[in-house]
Amino acid sequence: AQSVTQLDSQVPVFEEAPVELRCNYSSSVSVYLFWYVQYPNQGLQLLLKYLSGSTLVKGINGFEAEFNKSQTSFHLRKPSVHISDTAEYFCAVTPYNFNKFYFGSGTKLNVKP
Amino acid sequence: EAGVAQSPRYKIIEKRQSVAFWCNPISGHATLYWYQQILGQGPKLLIQFQNNGVVDDSQLPKDRFSAERLKGVDSTLKIQPAKLEDSAVYLCASRRGTANEKLFFGSGTQLSVL
Repeated sequence: AQSVTQLDSQVPVFEEAPVELRCNYSSSVSVYLFWYVQYPNQGLQLLLKYLSGSTLVKGINGFEAEFNKSQTSFHLRKPSVHISDTAEYFCAVTPYNFNKFYFGSGTKLNVKP
Repeated sequence: EAGVAQSPRYKIIEKRQSVAFWCNPISGHATLYWYQQILGQGPKLLIQFQNNGVVDDSQLPKDRFSAERLKGVDSTLKIQPAKLEDSAVYLCASRRGTANEKLFFGSGTQLSVL
């Protein structure tokens, strides 16, 4: 079985500061990893994904994430956030056969001026 | 390309009433999902269709929830009768096929059961 844990339900940060949103997962099989972003009153959009290769993946809007197999983590980072990054961020995993996506409970990023 | 369309955007009903949600996936997307997102939680899969067949409905409360995807295109999700705990956002997502991993989500239907 798979599960995803996002330890921080809310993260307040000032504009232009760096941010890290944490994600840990548990799985009995190999998985692919994703980060989705949900802006207010919108559906979820893919931010970035890790399938294979380099463990550091870059996504849209300057976000990046690093896959750490030994720590079963996939933390999301941005060196300098903008007001427009205010949204809810979801970490998700899917087994190699792509049949199911398992989502974390989400982290609300609140960027303050 | 046009995105995943869902309607209605909001719905308020009283408990024990019935409600239906509609989803039109992106053209050509064979796989369609319905997720339930309760406030403060991540999306939880209710049902997954591959074309017009059900792949996984293990998390669907079948005593009150039903879903169909006639002709393998658009889909409806129904709740009958609704309970207070059904208050949530119902998200529809689609994907081109099992070999393509990206999910495209609709904006969701926010259901409030009073």
